[in-house]
Amino acid sequence: RKEVEQDPGPFNVPEGATVAFNCTYSNSASQSFFWYRQDCRKEPKLLMSVYSSGNEDGRFTAQLNRASQYISLLIRDSKLSDSATYLCVVNGGAGNNRKLIWGLGTSLAVNP
Amino acid sequence: DGGITQSPKYLFRKEGQNVTLSCEQNLNHDAMYWYRQDPGQGLRLIYYSQIVNDFQKGDIAEGYSVSREKKESFPLTVTSAQKNPTAFYLCASSIWGKEEGYTFGSGTRLTVV
Repeated sequence: RKEVEQDPGPFNVPEGATVAFNCTYSNSASQSFFWYRQDCRKEPKLLMSVYSSGNEDGRFTAQLNRASQYISLLIRDSKLSDSATYLCVVNGGAGNNRKLIWGLGTSLAVNP
Repeated sequence: DGGITQSPKYLFRKEGQNVTLSCEQNLNHDAMYWYRQDPGQGLRLIYYSQIVNDFQKGDIAEGYSVSREKKESFPLTVTSAQKNPTAFYLCASSIWGKEEGYTFGSGTRLTVV
């Protein structure tokens, strides 16, 4: 089992649609979780951290289920500018093993 | 504005040459990282450094070397021992131990010609 698994997509959705991405992780000791966005041929940029209680930032909502080791990202009212690859990222655990572990990403294309 | 700068943006290397990729940050971050990204693959960690004068191998360190003589700088040398160096190289920095994610530079695209 991969350490961080994501559905690669691509997800093709019309503008205004709601789309959800899922991610599972294998290390139960992981403590920090993030969603990054990466545009084609650009660097990843932090979209949002994911907290146990769930968190929302405008049209974006992230959820964490520690029992199932599952993270989700919901995008409402999709915009053309949301087209990108979304990377699920998990830290390796406490102490010095705090390296981030990166999923392969889910590709989203929002169409007019 | 604070940030992290990578140079050059594009780099071409001949077979058998060593090349050095620059990474500088003015975010006052303790930790710096080098990743490699290949098409269809996730980010793979090459080296990381928690503090000045200390660095650790990541998952794919063979054929690469780094130094951390200053807090702001973490250059990566791609040596001739790296058999498949063509890739997108990303440098990142963070506050070590504070789980706020990483800030990335804009990357260097290295091609072997």
